[in-house]
Amino acid sequence: QKEVEQDPGPLSVPEGAIVSLNCTYSNSAFQYFMWYRQYSRKGPELLMYTYSSGNKEDGRFTAQVDKSSKYISLFIRDSQPSDSATYLCAMGSGNQFYFGTGTSLTVIP
Amino acid sequence: GAGVSQSPRYKVAKRGQDVALRCDPISGHVSLFWYQQALGQGPEFLTYFQNEAQLDKSGLPSDRFFAERPEGSVSTLKIQRTQQEDSAVYLCASSLTSLGNEQYFGPGTRLTVT
Repeated sequence: QKEVEQDPGPLSVPEGAIVSLNCTYSNSAFQYFMWYRQYSRKGPELLMYTYSSGNKEDGRFTAQVDKSSKYISLFIRDSQPSDSATYLCAMGSGNQFYFGTGTSLTVIP
Repeated sequence: GAGVSQSPRYKVAKRGQDVALRCDPISGHVSLFWYQQALGQGPEFLTYFQNEAQLDKSGLPSDRFFAERPEGSVSTLKIQRTQQEDSAVYLCASSLTSLGNEQYFGPGTRLTVT
């Protein structure tokens, strides 16, 4: 069983839609949870970082962590064509971090 | 300020050649990570440095892979006797603290072994 499971998509939504991206994990020791956006042929770009269960909001992005269910989510409001990218969840503790396979998102104008 | 930089951006090596990939982390960042990303996959952990100390190298796939960060800033990932299965994007990330959270990535080096 992989440490982190993420639906690879692809996901296609119309501009302005709310997007929900999710990951599940198996290791209850994970303490830090991150979401990255990766454009083609670029390095991952940090979008959100959370430490505890609950919600964290930054502009159009909301990250949600439910440690009891081992489930994390990223919501994107008012999605834009420029949001079209691959979204990676990442989590870990100590010195090792594990990434999901990424969800490919396309926002159609 | 300057982000994480990596060089070269692209590298083509013949099977059996040695390669060296360089990472310049954000100035002052304590933690430095190397990851390998295959096409269509997420990054996979290779090794971790806290300043100049390599604290975890459990992700290095074989003893052909070697990493160093001698002065606690620039890091080099070396692959000896490259094989076709080494073809991937090699990503470097740095983090301000020893916790390793909030990692900032470089653009990666795309290695193709022919």
